Amino acid sequence: QQQVKQSPQSLIVQKGGISIINCAYENTAFDYFPWYQQFPGKGPALLIAIRPDVSEKKEGRFTISFNKSAKQFSLHIMDSQPGDSATYFCAASQGSARQLTFGSGTQLTVLP
Amino acid sequence: NAGVTQTPKFQVLKTGQSMTLQCAQDMNHNSMYWYRQDPGMGLRLIYYSASEGTTDKGEVPNGYNVSRLNKREFSLRLESAAPSQTSVYFCATSLNYEQYFGPGTRLTVT
Repeated sequence: QQQVKQSPQSLIVQKGGISIINCAYENTAFDYFPWYQQFPGKGPALLIAIRPDVSEKKEGRFTISFNKSAKQFSLHIMDSQPGDSATYFCAASQGSARQLTFGSGTQLTVLP
Repeated sequence: NAGVTQTPKFQVLKTGQSMTLQCAQDMNHNSMYWYRQDPGMGLRLIYYSASEGTTDKGEVPNGYNVSRLNKREFSLRLESAAPSQTSVYFCATSLNYEQYFGPGTRLTVT
């Protein structure tokens, strides 16, 4: 049972363009939605996160848009750079132990 | 301040062998987690420990056991390794909402 669905599986963007990755969730008990960035051979690193009482959060070139009624959230990377080339995972957590349920990942390639 | 450390970085096992993956954190976090990462499937939770002395099953616990040795250390044991356990294993820690991941252990079972 995949509780967090992520798309697209892969994404190629030109330098300076906007990268958009989408996620949808099913469990309305989720109350924290982080995005992780992972480079080859490394562990995932927290990029940005949002709580469901906010519709948008921006940190530098990275923005999360959150639609609670549609149970969807997305990551926007503005002015994408070759150094942004990595795998991005959305996730959702719930419960006192804050265990995460991850999406399947999006491999982003930014062409120079 | 090393954050989250995992040992070993790489391991090759034969089917039926056992081994323990070690995780240690110096962040003074209460919660610790073990995930496995397989191509196209994201990360899936194996076991977690909300606090010292407690452990609970995650999404894919079969074939694994864990020990929360103290607040710093959380180990994952494969008693009889199977090829289906070939994966990259990540340990993570959490204080409140944010989780911090270690560098991973790449395990191959032949």
